[in-house]
Amino acid sequence: DAGVTQSPTHLIKTRGQQVTLRCSPKSGHDTVSWYQQALGQGPQFIFQYYEEEERQRGNFPDRFSGHQFPNYSSELNVNALLLGDSALYLCASSLATGQGWFLGEQFFGPGTRLTVL
Amino acid sequence: AQRVTQPEKLLSVFKGAPVELKCNYSYSGSPELFWYVQYSRQRLQLLLRHISRESIKGFTADLNKGETSFHLKKPFAQEEDSAMYYCALSPLGSGGSNYKLTFGKGTLLTVNP
Repeated sequence: DAGVTQSPTHLIKTRGQQVTLRCSPKSGHDTVSWYQQALGQGPQFIFQYYEEEERQRGNFPDRFSGHQFPNYSSELNVNALLLGDSALYLCASSLATGQGWFLGEQFFGPGTRLTVL
Repeated sequence: AQRVTQPEKLLSVFKGAPVELKCNYSYSGSPELFWYVQYSRQRLQLLLRHISRESIKGFTADLNKGETSFHLKKPFAQEEDSAMYYCALSPLGSGGSNYKLTFGKGTLLTVNP
């Protein structure tokens, strides 16, 4: 098992463009979370997907959207890119367990480095 | 709102010395606290969580609700402990965590020979 995988590794875009980042969860996991990590900062929660729906969302504008596919993989889309969107984007996967909305340990991918010029 | 503060950006100790990485939090509900570690050129990984009460690689952390702290400690630091350490918080429900993690800015620990 390769664990959580993300593509591409690096990406360079210009202001105003749109970008799509991809994530494949660890085998057996059904929940995907996305984080943005700016230089010198800790990761910031963007949103979380389960059963192809957005279940939780952090304090990010609507320019940030996502999708989860039936095979549990996920995409993060960012529209109208700003210079401030330059960051490392991390994907993490986990398995929803028990009643309600509770998760097992979260495993992180290596990240996608996005540079906006 | 959730907030996690790691007051030290950098921490340098000698091998064999005790190490303590500080973490303070603010959250009005019941929190679950975590420590994540990122070794050089590796991905972020869970080190420990307060609910499991485990000691991992000799590290321990106790949740102090009165002081709203979750400091990470190790009595004898090793060179391989050199890494970036992040404290994180998630809301805790009656059945567990939903992993909506709020991270601190991290502390870079260097253990010198």
